[in-house]
Amino acid sequence: EVQLVESGGGLVQPGSSLKLSCVASGFTFSSYNMHWIRQAPKKGLEWIALIYYDSSNKYYADSVKGRFTISRDNSKNTLYLEMNSLRSEDTAMYYCAKGLEDVMDAWGQGASVTVSS
Amino acid sequence: DIVLTQSPALAVSLGQRATISCRASQSVSISRYNLMHWYQQKPGQQPKLLIYRASNLASGIPARFSGSGSGTDFTLTINPVQADDIATYYCQQSRESPTFGGGTKLELK
Repeated sequence: EVQLVESGGGLVQPGSSLKLSCVASGFTFSSYNMHWIRQAPKKGLEWIALIYYDSSNKYYADSVKGRFTISRDNSKNTLYLEMNSLRSEDTAMYYCAKGLEDVMDAWGQGASVTVSS
Repeated sequence: DIVLTQSPALAVSLGQRATISCRASQSVSISRYNLMHWYQQKPGQQPKLLIYRASNLASGIPARFSGSGSGTDFTLTINPVQADDIATYYCQQSRESPTFGGGTKLELK
């Protein structure tokens, strides 16, 4: 069974940094692209980043480009999202998702990030 | 970015058909591939893939869910609606950098 477990969320002040992790199990992590998607409170889904299975390519939404960095460690079956210069509008639930061709076929339960002074 | 537009809510009776629409600001089809997908999200849960490439049922999804469409207009149909289907449904395109529709909340009439 595919499992994705996010961690690292919390309450932080504007301008600060935070790093999320997503530990994967139940599939060959190193063979699949991975995504981060976020959902602000009571809002819809927003895709924010994609990393290829071998880290050869990374893509970001304009809303986070230059502030967020996606990375992975295939030896640890772990996906990361490093978030810098956090703003109140970054407050959201952050989901990692497994990519299957052009869809997201499995999602974690999410990590909550609140940016507030 | 490709903008996906969904109606905010749809009220249906149990046992009836629900039709949820998604319109894209430009075509999301390439050749024979219709790059539109559908997800279900229940309150307090993560989204779950229902339909991929417009009409293909994801693994483990009941056959009462179906999808259709091409170009800019796509539809998710649930027939018959069961109590467990009350959720918010999102469309997502992969023609360009992924974007999601605003979601349609399926409610009981």
